[in-house]
Amino acid sequence: AQSVTQLDSQVPVFEEAPVELRCNYSSSVSVYLFWYVQYPNQGLQLLLKYLSGSTLVKGINGFEAEFNKSQTSFHLRKPSVHISDTAEYFCAVTTTSGTYKYIFGTGTRLKVLA
Amino acid sequence: EAGVAQSPRYKIIEKRQSVAFWCNPISGHATLYWYQQILGQGPKLLIQFQNNGVVDDSQLPKDRFSAERLKGVDSTLKIQPAKLEDSAVYLCASSFGDSGGAFFGQGTRLTVV
Repeated sequence: AQSVTQLDSQVPVFEEAPVELRCNYSSSVSVYLFWYVQYPNQGLQLLLKYLSGSTLVKGINGFEAEFNKSQTSFHLRKPSVHISDTAEYFCAVTTTSGTYKYIFGTGTRLKVLA
Repeated sequence: EAGVAQSPRYKIIEKRQSVAFWCNPISGHATLYWYQQILGQGPKLLIQFQNNGVVDDSQLPKDRFSAERLKGVDSTLKIQPAKLEDSAVYLCASSFGDSGGAFFGQGTRLTVV
């Protein structure tokens, strides 16, 4: 079975500062990895995904993430955050074969301060 | 392209009552998911359909929850009878059934009082 751990429940950061949201996963088989963002009272929106190839993937809104197989991590980064990035961020995993069941972490609340 | 549609957006019911949620996935998406998101937690998969067949319902409380996907398109999720701990946001998502990721609706916020 797969699992996702997001150790930081909340991350406060000042506007225009860089941010990293951490995600670690556990799986005995190969996985695909995803980051989603959820704004208040909204559904989840796909930010980016890692399937294969380059371990650095770029997504929407200036976010990027790096896949590290040896550390089983997929941390999300943004070099300069805006107030509008305040939201909940979820890391998710699914296996590379089978039913594509998406397993989510508990989320990290990013709060950007003025 | 239209996204995943869900209704209603909000629902308040008393415990022991029944409630139903409706979902219309993105056109052409064979896979449909229902997730439960309790406040402060990540989404938990309740049931996954591939066309109109159930792929995974291992975390669906079958004594009170039921779901169907008639004709492989729209889906309904029902709770009967509801308990206080069922208060959550119920998210519907759909995908092509590949590695492209799942696309979510806005969810239905259920409050059981």
